[in-house]
Amino acid sequence: EAQVTQNPRYLITVTGKKLTVTCSQNMNHEYMSWYRQDPGLGLRQIYYSMNVEVTDKGDVPEGYKVSRKEKRNFPLILESPSPNQTSLYFCASSKTVWETQYFGPGTRLLVL
Amino acid sequence: GQQLNQSPQSMFIQEGEDVSMNCTSSSIFNTWLWYKQDPGEGPVLLIALYKAGELTSNGRLTAQFGITRKDSFLNISASIPSDVGIYFCAGLRTSGTYKYIFGTGTRLKVLA
Repeated sequence: EAQVTQNPRYLITVTGKKLTVTCSQNMNHEYMSWYRQDPGLGLRQIYYSMNVEVTDKGDVPEGYKVSRKEKRNFPLILESPSPNQTSLYFCASSKTVWETQYFGPGTRLLVL
Repeated sequence: GQQLNQSPQSMFIQEGEDVSMNCTSSSIFNTWLWYKQDPGEGPVLLIALYKAGELTSNGRLTAQFGITRKDSFLNISASIPSDVGIYFCAGLRTSGTYKYIFGTGTRLKVLA
């Protein structure tokens, strides 16, 4: 089944404790992206990757890192999480930037 | 970061009624998209628009790409209970970057 998977789905952590949210797609897509969703603000793009060689900042990259060492995986790294990073996070992928994005099921993060 | 202005923020309608929502921006986009998000799920693409003035339908949904390239409209005809959810517009920026900018969402509730 073609899909985007994220792990974990739910995470509670404390300020400053490094964490990684994994994202994997099995559709051989080039473009991958991370978003955060907050009430009243919709989705905001954190980072995107055009392909394995190109990664760039979205609109709200501060406090996040990503890596794209292989086409299928695009982990989101929070080196030192803070409470303002409490949010619902979505990973998405598409064949190219212009084509339909498929979203993962979301990861709900609470930083205490 | 920039976000698109989406209105209305929420609406209650009776089953069978038509619904309209719109999205505006202070800058130009070359691609407009409309997504629907059901509770607990990631957004799913409804309609993609690639040319100014384009009018595209998908079943009971019709969307238009504004002539100025700064706005877009989504209409839902003869609404049914399963239309409940949050609808997001999104624009793709492709000048020197490949970012998606999302609207703040329209929450639709359908009264049977």
